[in-house]
Amino acid sequence: EDKVVQSPLSLVVHEGDTVTLNCSYEVTNFRSLLWYKQEKKAPTFLFMLTSSGIEKKSGRLSSILDKKELFSILNITATQTGDSAIYLCAVGLNYGQNFVFGPGTRLSVLP
Amino acid sequence: SQTIHQWPATLVQPVGSPLSLECTVEGTSNPNLYWYRQAAGRGLQLLFYSVGIGQISSEVPQNLSASRPQDRQFILSSKKLLLSDSGFYLCAWSAGTKNIQYFGAGTRLSVL
Repeated sequence: EDKVVQSPLSLVVHEGDTVTLNCSYEVTNFRSLLWYKQEKKAPTFLFMLTSSGIEKKSGRLSSILDKKELFSILNITATQTGDSAIYLCAVGLNYGQNFVFGPGTRLSVLP
Repeated sequence: SQTIHQWPATLVQPVGSPLSLECTVEGTSNPNLYWYRQAAGRGLQLLFYSVGIGQISSEVPQNLSASRPQDRQFILSSKKLLLSDSGFYLCAWSAGTKNIQYFGAGTRLSVL
């Protein structure tokens, strides 16, 4: 069974801290790994990773994939209260339903 | 540019009543369409997906059904709602070679 695991499930930090969110997966036909940010409603797309070792970066957020060890990390530096959200990791597959989602990490950034 | 519309935003329904949630996509042709449910504090559970008109794949046996009467329209239905159907329902689409899903704003359903 295809599976995506995220850790921690919940995290509370203060503004200015750096956080690392983890995503590991076990799937039979990997195509891509995606990160989403979900505030109150719809998840919004952050990154898609397909190759190991290539960092994707957008402002204070960055992510990297390790296809050998089957995991990805999402880093957020100098956190702000606006970073408070659920961060979802998803794996895109080459067959079937195409995507498997992890449970998400709930990040709370305190002022 | 592509947009996805999902409605209603919130819905309160009594047990045993019917359900119809609608999702439409604009600006793309032949998208893959998805319905997810998200329970409080949990990840997304895939309910249905469709790769074309009239083609529906069900991932989880349940009290719900889906239909795709037009290329860019996806409908989630139930004949009789259960308390356990409460949750946050998200519609999504993907297309092209990038294989990225884009989500609608969601419907928060409360069955009382």
